Amino acid sequence: QKEVEQNSGPLSVPEGAIASLNCTYSDRGSQSFFWYRQYSGKSPELIMSIYSNGDKEDGRFTAQLNKASQYVSLLIRDSQPSDSATYLCAVSQEGGSNYKLTFGKGTLLTVNP
Amino acid sequence: DVKVTQSSRYLVKRTGEKVFLECVQDMDHENMFWYRQDPGLGLRLIYFSYDVKMKEKGDIPEGYSVSREKKERFSLILESASTNQTSMYLCASRNRGQLFFGSGTQLSVL
Repeated sequence: QKEVEQNSGPLSVPEGAIASLNCTYSDRGSQSFFWYRQYSGKSPELIMSIYSNGDKEDGRFTAQLNKASQYVSLLIRDSQPSDSATYLCAVSQEGGSNYKLTFGKGTLLTVNP
Repeated sequence: DVKVTQSSRYLVKRTGEKVFLECVQDMDHENMFWYRQDPGLGLRLIYFSYDVKMKEKGDIPEGYSVSREKKERFSLILESASTNQTSMYLCASRNRGQLFFGSGTQLSVL
């Protein structure tokens, strides 16, 4: 069973701080990595994707990937109360048409005003 | 914008009933998925389909079946609903690496 592990939290940070969310995965063949955000009562929505080692920045969000350590993280700079949500790490093992995305259980982030 | 529509937001069924959950996407995506989401267990893949009439079991297919007769529609079927199938069911379609989710169906089996 391929696994994706996240700290369940809750993670609480003050407004303006950096929130750091972490994820590890078990399948070394994993190729694509995603962070989804899910507000309470809503469906997940994609916020970041990363495919190669290193950092990828998009606005206040930075995704970091280290395939050797099987580790992917998401940093949220200048955290806002509107960032309060559950963050889901997802990992895919792609092979032709047999695409499958495995999700972690999510980390609940609360940003306090 | 991609739109994934699930037929019902809330559904209440009796134990033993046959239940159909419908999902329609409007972007001609080949891949479609059914997940269930439970507190403390996260999102778990039930079935997915990579083409019309093609389906693959996910991690928890027991008690479920699916149908994909047309590219835009992917149906999840609970042959005989049980109380442990009470859950939030999320349908998604895929474009490249990104999944687009429907708004979900909260199913309660009494």
